[in-house]
Amino acid sequence: DAKTTQPTSMDCAEGRAANLPCNHSTISGNEYVYWYRQIHSQGPQYIIHGLKNNETNEMASLIITEDRKSSTLILPHATLRDTAVYYCIVGGTSYGKLTFGQGTILTVHP
Amino acid sequence: EAQVTQNPRYLITVTGKKLTVTCSQNMNHEYMSWYRQDPGLGLRQIYYSMNVEVTDKGDVPEGYKVSRKEKRNFPLILESPSPNQTSLYFCASSLGWGAYEQYFGPGTRLTVT
Repeated sequence: DAKTTQPTSMDCAEGRAANLPCNHSTISGNEYVYWYRQIHSQGPQYIIHGLKNNETNEMASLIITEDRKSSTLILPHATLRDTAVYYCIVGGTSYGKLTFGQGTILTVHP
Repeated sequence: EAQVTQNPRYLITVTGKKLTVTCSQNMNHEYMSWYRQDPGLGLRQIYYSMNVEVTDKGDVPEGYKVSRKEKRNFPLILESPSPNQTSLYFCASSLGWGAYEQYFGPGTRLTVT
């Protein structure tokens, strides 16, 4: 699976959009981009995933660049409850295995 | 409610005393897996199962066993626990092993003394 690079930490004001970047320059053609988050030591929670096109669901939007070498997760109106570690994962071909990196610690402040 | 449950949630045990951590899902998912999470190492896959009676090793299978006799259950067995297996364990399930969202359980914090 391709490796991802994310900033270690980010801050966001409550009510503002949180834009979390991820670089995955070695992504292969059949690999998906997934985003999960983990609040404290709870089980990771799925947010969104995509292959080529931008995706949106009730939680977030995923913007994937045309060359697929990077992506951005957008939380449109961050709340304090969105404070968590956000993981960008590339894969989907290795028998369902998700390779978690260190993620981005997002802190939403009032 | 669709969920993955794990039991126990917390366990303190001693070296060598066999234990089982249960995992159950109520979503009729085919794919299930176990991860462990350690500080600085992230989540690492231990074992996975693509369906009943089909299991395979993940990245860190040493010291663990699994079985998948029923679709909904995927227990993790530590035959002879050692202190280096002290960790936070997560079970996960999904419809299949492809591009599906995975649902994670709440975690089991295991301490082996």
